[in-house]
Amino acid sequence: QQPVQSPQAVILREGEDAVINCSSSKALYSVHWYRQKHGEAPVFLMILLKGGEQKGHDKISASFNEKKQQSSLYLTASQLSYSGTYFCGTEGETSYDKVIFGPGTSLSVIP
Amino acid sequence: DAGVTQSPTHLIKTRGQQVTLRCSPKSGHDTVSWYQQALGQGPQFIFQYYEEEERQRGNFPDRFSGHQFPNYSSELNVNALLLGDSALYLCASSWANQPQHFGDGTRLSIL
Repeated sequence: QQPVQSPQAVILREGEDAVINCSSSKALYSVHWYRQKHGEAPVFLMILLKGGEQKGHDKISASFNEKKQQSSLYLTASQLSYSGTYFCGTEGETSYDKVIFGPGTSLSVIP
Repeated sequence: DAGVTQSPTHLIKTRGQQVTLRCSPKSGHDTVSWYQQALGQGPQFIFQYYEEEERQRGNFPDRFSGHQFPNYSSELNVNALLLGDSALYLCASSWANQPQHFGDGTRLSIL
């Protein structure tokens, strides 16, 4: 089943924060986050494995609550370069299950 | 170190024709997954190849088939093309349970 993402779209001013949520109806082994800019390939941001860990990368971090089968991506002090569509990809109960992507969240950062 | 490369970048076909798309994985990667991405949507999983065999498959008809070669490169074949097959086709490669890396995709247009 495809994960659900919210919100569908968000517009931010530079320096503002945003949270993108991803939830699944099935047990998950991992959650993958990607950003895709228009006309380009999705670029890997981070992966979270079951265990409820939180990861960070510069001003972008994410959490994974395996009990609720939910993950959130946190973007702080947004920059113009953060604009794009963010996809979460969920991997089932084994480490070799297929990665299923959500419909995406469009993020636009304006000056 | 070359990343994932796909060819061709663009392709125009007519209904009923057949098409073959190619993917060379990132060096060191042995698993290749194919995705179909329609405009404004998330990548939809088609299938995954590992050790020259199809390991996982999404909800795509048998018109979609693939192959993986001993050097880990892969092909996606689509027969009897339909207008609805117009999309960006993405190849992603990975190794063990490491994150997937995407190629730039092949833009397929069906007339």
